[in-house]
Amino acid sequence: LAKTTQPISMDSYEGQEVNITCSHNNIATNDYITWYQQFPSQGPRFIIQGYKTKVTNEVASLFIPADRKSSTLSLPRVSLSDTAVYYCLVGLSGAGSYQLTFGKGTKLSVIP
Amino acid sequence: EAQVTQNPRYLITVTGKKLTVTCSQNMNHEYMSWYRQDPGLGLRQIYYSMNVEVTDKGDVPEGYKVSRKEKRNFPLILESPSPNQTSLYFCASKPVSYNEQFFGPGTRLTVL
Repeated sequence: LAKTTQPISMDSYEGQEVNITCSHNNIATNDYITWYQQFPSQGPRFIIQGYKTKVTNEVASLFIPADRKSSTLSLPRVSLSDTAVYYCLVGLSGAGSYQLTFGKGTKLSVIP
Repeated sequence: EAQVTQNPRYLITVTGKKLTVTCSQNMNHEYMSWYRQDPGLGLRQIYYSMNVEVTDKGDVPEGYKVSRKEKRNFPLILESPSPNQTSLYFCASKPVSYNEQFFGPGTRLTVL
């Protein structure tokens, strides 16, 4: 099972770029890395997914080194509304199994 | 509107009284899953289903049952609830070929 490890919390000022790193040392060959955002009392919301190198969409970038043992979610110019918990998720997809394990998440606090 | 719905949203019950939390999705997704969320523990997967009549255990299946008789529905059954099952429960769905999960609004369960 691909276990993930993230920092428990991070603080950032508005307008700064925030990088949250997730380690997943035993990621499987077929696994993708997915990041979710969760606000209090709401279900998580998909942010971005990647397999290797760099992926960018309208809200974030995801950097994955060649060995894929870690990944970094980058949020450009955060605002107060980005205060949330961010989860890194690595899918165990071998042999038709889709057991998905969330880590404990990183609580990001954006300060005015 | 594409969505995952859960009912009830809030439930207070007593130990041993069987209950069912319903989950329904209108996106024709093959994959559905149940998670529980507890403070400090993140999201933990209870059960998942790859398609109709195909279910499998997640990380914390003890004390729960599920069924998948129709593609759109994935009820979570607690045959004999106990206080340690007090938690916030989320249902999610996604297509098998992509890792973006769509989460329901959550069900807050209290077992006295």
